[in-house]
Amino acid sequence: KQEVTQIPAALSVPEGENLVLNCSFTDSAIYNLQWFRQDPGKGLTSLLLIQSSQREQTSGRLNASLDKSSGRSTLYIAASQPGDSATYLCAVQPSGGYNKLIFGAGTRLAVHP
Amino acid sequence: EAGVAQSPRYKIIEKRQSVAFWCNPISGHATLYWYQQILGQGPKLLIQFQNNGVVDDSQLPKDRFSAERLKGVDSTLKIQPAKLEDSAVYLCASSLAGRPSTDTQYFGPGTRLTVL
Repeated sequence: KQEVTQIPAALSVPEGENLVLNCSFTDSAIYNLQWFRQDPGKGLTSLLLIQSSQREQTSGRLNASLDKSSGRSTLYIAASQPGDSATYLCAVQPSGGYNKLIFGAGTRLAVHP
Repeated sequence: EAGVAQSPRYKIIEKRQSVAFWCNPISGHATLYWYQQILGQGPKLLIQFQNNGVVDDSQLPKDRFSAERLKGVDSTLKIQPAKLEDSAVYLCASSLAGRPSTDTQYFGPGTRLTVL
């Protein structure tokens, strides 16, 4: 059974810091891994999608890496801003499924001025 | 492009009562998902529709939860009767295809259910 774990559960940093969020999964049979952002009272917004054949994806100040063989992914946020404060969720799409996503519990990030 | 719409946004009921949630996906999206997100946890898939048909409902508590997607567009999720542990945010999402693909799922704002 696929399980997704995210560390740390919560993080508080001063503005401007570079930070790393970690995600691990137990079964390497996946089509892709995705990172989402969730703001209070709002739905999830997709940030980055890494296909199983890829090693990393970048979007602006965000960079996500994937090591499928070791079951790990990291989300790197450069030069953090207060507007980055949100919960970040990692999700994997298992192979053989119908686009089903299995989520971790998320990392709650607070960036203070 | 309009996003995924959900209503109501909030609902408070007493245990053993019934409740229904409504979702309108993005136009043209064939696949619709209902997720349950309990406080402090990630979303968990309850049911997935491909057009009108159910392709995955393995985690849906079928003794109390039901869902339908009429005409392959809007969907409703019902809980009858509700239990305290059903308190959660119910998220609806939609995507273009559904079969293993790179399609992104687009999420609605969710319905926050509190069962007293």
